[in-house]
Amino acid sequence: SYVVTQTPSVSVAPGKTARITCGGNNIGSKSVHWYQQKAGQAPVVVIYYDSDRPSGIPERFSGSNSGNTATLTISRVEAGDEADYYCQVWDSSTAHWVFGGGTKLTVL
Amino acid sequence: EVQLVESGGGLIQPGGSLRLSCAASGFTVNSNYMSWVRQAPGKGLEWVSVIYSGGSTYYADSVKGRFTISRDNSKNTLYLQMNSLRAEDTAVYYCARDRADGTQHYWYFDLWGRGTLVTVSS
Repeated sequence: SYVVTQTPSVSVAPGKTARITCGGNNIGSKSVHWYQQKAGQAPVVVIYYDSDRPSGIPERFSGSNSGNTATLTISRVEAGDEADYYCQVWDSSTAHWVFGGGTKLTVL
Repeated sequence: EVQLVESGGGLIQPGGSLRLSCAASGFTVNSNYMSWVRQAPGKGLEWVSVIYSGGSTYYADSVKGRFTISRDNSKNTLYLQMNSLRAEDTAVYYCARDRADGTQHYWYFDLWGRGTLVTVSS
């Protein structure tokens, strides 16, 4: 089955740029979706299909996907962006939804 | 309002059974791909099972043969029957909807419930 891996934690100062990565074998050939989960809440999608942003998600959130790495970029980080972020793909070979292990974003 | 509301969680002994429910409003469960996703305490998200609009079902290897996903169209409700429960099944269980526009499916979750906690312990 397909495996996606994430760095467990990322720290960034307010106003700076955070980059959260999601690795997988030739992940660039798949569509990657990103969720934000704040403490005690359900996940919310912030990027879908590699780089599309749902309505209501700030333009500071962007995504890219190529080769073996997908990246969620958060520009001008704010304290309210502190959360766990998960990448997700759909594995067509098993018909399973696959999540990365999550990255905890800490705003210093 | 479009929403999902889970119920049925609780404390259960190892080896026991529990049925979770997810009541949908504002849309029709049987027209969508509906999944259960769980999150163990302090851990990440784990997809558990899906039921397609056509009725096909799929399961994560960790629950195959023990869990059964189903729906009641008259009640617009999704279920997860969990048997032979183990300590490692302890988690918050979310129901989630795969985004769809008509017959086009997008393979990510655009709607989540708030979750229900299942604790397997003696």
